[in-house]
Amino acid sequence: DAEITQSPRHKITETGRQVTLACHQTWNHNNMFWYRQDLGHGLRLIHYSYGVQDTNKGEVSDGYSVSRSNTEDLPLTLESAASSQTSVYFCASSDAAGANEQYFGPGTRLTVT
Amino acid sequence: RKEVEQDPGPFNVPEGATVAFNCTYSNSASQSFFWYRQDCRKEPKLLMSVYSSGNEDGRFTAQLNRASQYISLLIRDSKLSDSATYLCVVTNQAGTALIFGKGTTLSVSS
Repeated sequence: DAEITQSPRHKITETGRQVTLACHQTWNHNNMFWYRQDLGHGLRLIHYSYGVQDTNKGEVSDGYSVSRSNTEDLPLTLESAASSQTSVYFCASSDAAGANEQYFGPGTRLTVT
Repeated sequence: RKEVEQDPGPFNVPEGATVAFNCTYSNSASQSFFWYRQDCRKEPKLLMSVYSSGNEDGRFTAQLNRASQYISLLIRDSKLSDSATYLCVVTNQAGTALIFGKGTTLSVSS
């Protein structure tokens, strides 16, 4: 069955370190998204991609970057982790432009100490 | 005004109750609307899309009022398994991304 996976599921890192969160989908979807979810804020869009080599900034993109070298993967990199980036990160994909059902991965819980 | 506003709850109801959630959105250009469900510490999952004519899926009914920029979700005959957070979702002005509300928490007890 097609799915979307994230790794690691849990990570603890130190302030200033570079961290990469992986997202892999086998739906063959063109569109992929990264969100963070924090208490009191709900889900906020970090970056998104509509296809290979395409990336776009979302609402809260500062301190994050993504790259899309193939259809299946959209890794999220925290260039220099900060305590404010402690959060739960969800990756999602969809088979049409943003205004369509998105399928979410199980999430990565990141703690920056 | 926030882009998508929901009453956070929690709504505590007994099994069998009918409960309604409301949501307002600020962008009159939004074209698509959804309700997602999120269980504790799990990923959000689509519950249903919301159409202008209203739509029903079993015990769940969603309605949209574009003039008032208002979306609702009605759950009839609540089950214990309905306990979750319900997220109201609309598209952004460009139609390129989804905007999520903070969610309304429902707790159904026996």
